[in-house]
Amino acid sequence: SQTIHQWPATLVQPVGSPLSLECTVEGTSNPNLYWYRQAAGRGLQLLFYSVGIGQISSEVPQNLSASRPQDRQFILSSKKLLLSDSGFYLCAWSVDRAHEQYFGPGTRLTVT
Amino acid sequence: KQEVTQIPAALSVPEGENLVLNCSFTDSAIYNLQWFRQDPGKGLTSLLLIQSSQREQTSGRLNASLDKSSGRSTLYIAASQPGDSATYLCAVERYGGSQGNLIFGKGTKLSVKP
Repeated sequence: SQTIHQWPATLVQPVGSPLSLECTVEGTSNPNLYWYRQAAGRGLQLLFYSVGIGQISSEVPQNLSASRPQDRQFILSSKKLLLSDSGFYLCAWSVDRAHEQYFGPGTRLTVT
Repeated sequence: KQEVTQIPAALSVPEGENLVLNCSFTDSAIYNLQWFRQDPGKGLTSLLLIQSSQREQTSGRLNASLDKSSGRSTLYIAASQPGDSATYLCAVERYGGSQGNLIFGKGTKLSVKP
């Protein structure tokens, strides 16, 4: 069966510090991968998606970047965090757009 | 621009009751619609996926329907249990949109009282 992992589970970082969140998927190959953010009082918003190694598409302009160095690894990064980057970050995978998306447990990021 | 609305925002019912959660979307050109549940502080659990060509999907006590022409979906939960307490989210993927870009509603927070 497939599993999706995210770490860390929680993170408190000062403004201006760098960020690296990691997501890995087990039990499948060549998945579509997604990063979403859920900000307080707002719905989930897609940040990045990837259909293959090194292929990243961004949905919204922002202070963040994503990379996919391996088939089942998806990384969300920032060089300098802003207060507005606080939120709950969720990674998801799917076989393709015709199939369900499965979400990881999330990372709670607080920027102070 | 696709917008997804879920009504009500919160719902409290006694255990054993059947209930319906509503989801509406503004653009009927969708690829699919997916229902999720989210427990506090947790990730999302996929419940049901309805392709645009389908009218409904069932899984156990859950039944989801889709009426694309009216821009509506409902999630029916039969014989509710306290363990069903969670926030329920619906999301649509728009035709022509970025692959896998689900547009989410803000959810309905369900509380089932023992």
